[in-house]
Formats: sequence, C-alpha cells, structure tokens
Amino acid sequence: LAKTTQPISMDSYEGQEVNITCSHNNIATNDYITWYQQFPSQGPRFIIQGYKTKVTNEVASLFIPADRKSSTLSLPRVSLSDTAVYYCLVVGFNKFYFGSGTKLNVKP
Amino acid sequence: DAGITQSPRYKITETGRQVTLMCHQTWSHSYMFWYRQDLGHGLRLIYYSAAADITDKGEVPDGYVVSRSKTENFPLTLESATRSQTSVYFCASSDPLRRSGGKDTQYFGPGTRLTVL
Repeated sequence: LAKTTQPISMDSYEGQEVNITCSHNNIATNDYITWYQQFPSQGPRFIIQGYKTKVTNEVASLFIPADRKSSTLSLPRVSLSDTAVYYCLVVGFNKFYFGSGTKLNVKP
Repeated sequence: DAGITQSPRYKITETGRQVTLMCHQTWSHSYMFWYRQDLGHGLRLIYYSAAADITDKGEVPDGYVVSRSKTENFPLTLESATRSQTSVYFCASSDPLRRSGGKDTQYFGPGTRLTVL
C-alpha cells in the first residue's frame, strides 16, 4: 500500500509561495499523485494531479522527481482563503489512501 | 447539476442502534466510496464500490455494511452503533474513464455528522 507522509502543519503569510512535500516511497509504476484541499466542514476537492516531472494549472504546480518517491505541491502567492488541509493521495488500481494531510495556516 | 448528496446531514443515535447513511450521485460514476473523518484527523476509507453489486473493504470496515444495488446509490449501515463510530462520514464518487480533473478524481459529498451517545 502506497502510504504517504506529509508535515502535520505549516504556517505562511499572505503573498508568499508555499511548498508542501509528500513522501510516497512505495509508489507503483502505474500510480498517479493527486492533491486535494479541504476546508472545515466540507469534503475534499481536487487541486492537481501528476505522474512525473511538473504539472501546472490555474491554482497550483506539482513537482515530481524522477524517482517519484516524493512530490511537492506549490501554491503561488497564498491568500487567507488558502488556509485549509492539503492531502496527498497516491492513486492506483483500487488504491485510495488519503493520509493525515497538512494543515496550512495563512496569516495576514 | 445535483452532483453528490448525503442524508441525513446530522444524526444523533444511541449505542446499539442500527443507523443507515445515504449517498446519492447523479453523474453515473462507476466508483463510490465511504470515508470517515474523526475530529482533527485525516480521512480513512471504510468501503468502496467499483460498480453496482461490487463492493470491497477499505482500511476500517469493521462494524459497517454497504450495498450497491443501483449505480447511483451507496448506503452505509452501522449495524450496532458504538461511541467510537462518532465521526463525520463522507461519501465520494469517481469515474476512472473520465479525464476531466484528473485520473480517478473523487468528488465528495457534504458529509454526515454522526454522534453516537
């Protein structure tokens, strides 16, 4: 089972770039790495997904090194509304493991 | 676009009672999931279903029963509720064949807050 390890919490200030790293040492060849965001009292929602190298969309970037044993979610210029819990999920055939997530606290 | 709904949103019950949480999705997604999230913790998978009449255990299945007679519904039953099952329960769905949002993207319902006294 490709379990993931993330920092429990991180603090940042508005306008800064935030990088959250996830470790997934047992990732399999066909697994994808997906990141979700969860606000209090809501279900998680999809942010970004990647397989290798770099993926960028309108809200974030995802960096995955060649060995794919880790990944880094990058949030550019965070705002107070980015305060949430961020989950790294390794997705494979019938494999769904969310882990404990990283609580990001953005300060003014 | 109704998406995915859960009912009830809040439930208080007593130890030993049977409780059923409902989940309904309108996308015809093949996969459906049940997670529990304890206060201040991450999500743990209880059961999932790859299609109608196909279900499988997740990390924490003990004390729960699921069924999926129709693609759009995935009820979760606590056969004899215990205090340790007090939690927020999230239902989700995904369709591995769709590419929008990413491979196997899960779409979550609003959650059911269950308290077992």
